[in-house]
Amino acid sequence: AQTVTQSQPEMSVQEAETVTLSCTYDTSESNYYLFWYKQPPSRQMILVIRQEAYKQQNATENRFSVNFQKAAKSFSLKISDSQLGDTAMYFCAFMTNTGNQFYFGTGTSLTVIP
Amino acid sequence: KAGVTQTPRYLIKTRGQQVTLSCSPISGHRSVSWYQQTPGQGLQFLFEYFSETQRNKGNFPGRFSGRQFSNSRSEMNVSTLELGDSALYLCASSLARQEGEQYFGPGTRLTVT
Repeated sequence: AQTVTQSQPEMSVQEAETVTLSCTYDTSESNYYLFWYKQPPSRQMILVIRQEAYKQQNATENRFSVNFQKAAKSFSLKISDSQLGDTAMYFCAFMTNTGNQFYFGTGTSLTVIP
Repeated sequence: KAGVTQTPRYLIKTRGQQVTLSCSPISGHRSVSWYQQTPGQGLQFLFEYFSETQRNKGNFPGRFSGRQFSNSRSEMNVSTLELGDSALYLCASSLARQEGEQYFGPGTRLTVT
């Protein structure tokens, strides 16, 4: 069975600072995809960044980057130069390439403090 | 392109009733997935439809069902509503399963009283 664990229910960061959100997962699959989704208070879920497990290079998307440690089954999200608009719930998600079912973590509520 | 749309956005029902939620995917997307989001359980996968066929199903009772039409629009039905069914129901669409990237709708907030 696939599981995704986010151990930080809530986090806060000062505006312009850097914050890292943690995510671990468990799977016996060798090929899969990992995602970070953001859900602002308006509730529309937005894809932040994705990582293919076969790629060793960590994905980067502007101020967002990941630290993907395949052996440790860890997939953390780093947000640099935090902005007020980054305040949201962040979900880590996992999908095997044999199906289209997503497994989500329970989320981390991030608050950016002015 | 228009995004994923869900109707209605808000719904209030009483126990024992049934409800149908609708989801229109992004044009060209053939895969539609449904999720239940609650504060305690987070996001839980309900089912996924691809080309009118249910391809994957989560661990929910048979009261939860769905279907997909030839234009890829999908409906989800919950019969004999229970208080615990109160949740935000999210629909997500994707082109196909290969890349896995899903685009979410705004959700339908269902309240069961």
